[in-house]
Amino acid sequence: ETGVTQTPRHLVMGMTNKKSLKCEQHLGHNAMYWYKQSAKKPLELMFVYNFKEQTENNSVPSRFSPECPNSSHLFLHLHTLQPEDSALYLCASSPGQIADFYNEQFFGPGTRLTVL
Amino acid sequence: DAKTTQPPSMDCAEGRAANLPCNHSTISGNEYVYWYRQIHSQGPQYIIHGLKNNETNEMASLIITEDRKSSTLILPHATLRDTAVYYCIVRVGGYQKVTFGTGTKLQVIP
Repeated sequence: ETGVTQTPRHLVMGMTNKKSLKCEQHLGHNAMYWYKQSAKKPLELMFVYNFKEQTENNSVPSRFSPECPNSSHLFLHLHTLQPEDSALYLCASSPGQIADFYNEQFFGPGTRLTVL
Repeated sequence: DAKTTQPPSMDCAEGRAANLPCNHSTISGNEYVYWYRQIHSQGPQYIIHGLKNNETNEMASLIITEDRKSSTLILPHATLRDTAVYYCIVRVGGYQKVTFGTGTKLQVIP
């Protein structure tokens, strides 16, 4: 595997379900990101992790819970979501703070989430 | 981040050069211009960035005006696979919060 991978690619869940999105990067990067892209809206940054530590939470509701066990893996745990949370969830990585001057972020293909 | 303005959509004939403009009149001296593109339902892809000099890579060329208030991304020979939304982003080097606007939807026509 190369680049940034995300699983699953598609997910349908009910409002009472608990599910997790997984992201893995094979680029040796130290920063990872979650973005949300709703229909016809710009990408919204949700979370940023540097060296496994969360450095940015863009006022995201607590029903979204990120986890970064190491610099290569990033999870987004979902519980009691609302239909308006249906969107494309994108993961990205970049070299990380200090080395991140040009901040070329590499994106995964995304998980298309539908909340019923 | 400085605000950017892009046309919502453009068409380009296949094989011709696609010139995508971006206005960033409030850009600061330490802010870079970045371009990304997003093909339908995929993750965005980095294309190119620059500070004040023109830049070229295997994907595109970036022309930045001398006053740095606007720039143009040039795809020299557009193909159908270049149909995508193109985002112009202005950001301080090293700043990790990237703000994507609504971009320009480029349609390459056969």
